[in-house]
Amino acid sequence: DIQMTQSPSSLSASVGDRVTITCQASQDISNYLNWYQQKPGKAPKLLIYDASNLETGVPSRFSGSGSGTDFTFTISSLQPEDIATYYCQQYDNLLFGPGTKVDIK
Amino acid sequence: EVQLVESGGGLVQPGGSLRLSCAASGFTFSSYSMNWVRQAPGKGLEWVSYISSSSSTIYYADSVKGRFTISRDNAKNSLYLQMNSLRAEDTAVYYCAREGCSSTSCYFDYWGQGTLVTVSS
Repeated sequence: DIQMTQSPSSLSASVGDRVTITCQASQDISNYLNWYQQKPGKAPKLLIYDASNLETGVPSRFSGSGSGTDFTFTISSLQPEDIATYYCQQYDNLLFGPGTKVDIK
Repeated sequence: EVQLVESGGGLVQPGGSLRLSCAASGFTFSSYSMNWVRQAPGKGLEWVSYISSSSSTIYYADSVKGRFTISRDNAKNSLYLQMNSLRAEDTAVYYCAREGCSSTSCYFDYWGQGTLVTVSS
């Protein structure tokens, strides 16, 4: 089975900072990688699909890149409303990464 | 507007059964594959089960295989999860999620608000 790792598991950053989260697959998954945002007490929300495609209505400060086994999710300028846990998901077996909790410093 | 509304959660004893429902609206339900995803308290997301639009293809996570059954009724725009032989580790918020697809792969583009299942004596 393909395993997903995410790093870091948590981070604190200041408003306006650039935030980067990485997701690594245990084997090549092409670009079959999605990113979700989950705010406390809420359902997850799709942000990025196919590694780099921004879901309709999602602010352009969010972006994704990568292919194969290594992927990156970036918030170009962190906003207070971005406080959440972010999960990657690979589509081959629908497995989610362990998540990255993002806080404001 | 796409809406997914789960129901049927609650408190059940270990070894008991529960049936979750997900009522869909705002899209052509019969055209979409659907999934159940769960989240144990304070933990991450765990995919549980998948069903194709026509019910011809079904998958389960190893953790629930043989105990849970996914089904759908396209005439009623509804998705179900029959959960039997429940264990304490099945305690979680259960979400239904619609599967959207690009030309290359798929993703969960709409989620319900979730329903809490608590397995405890």
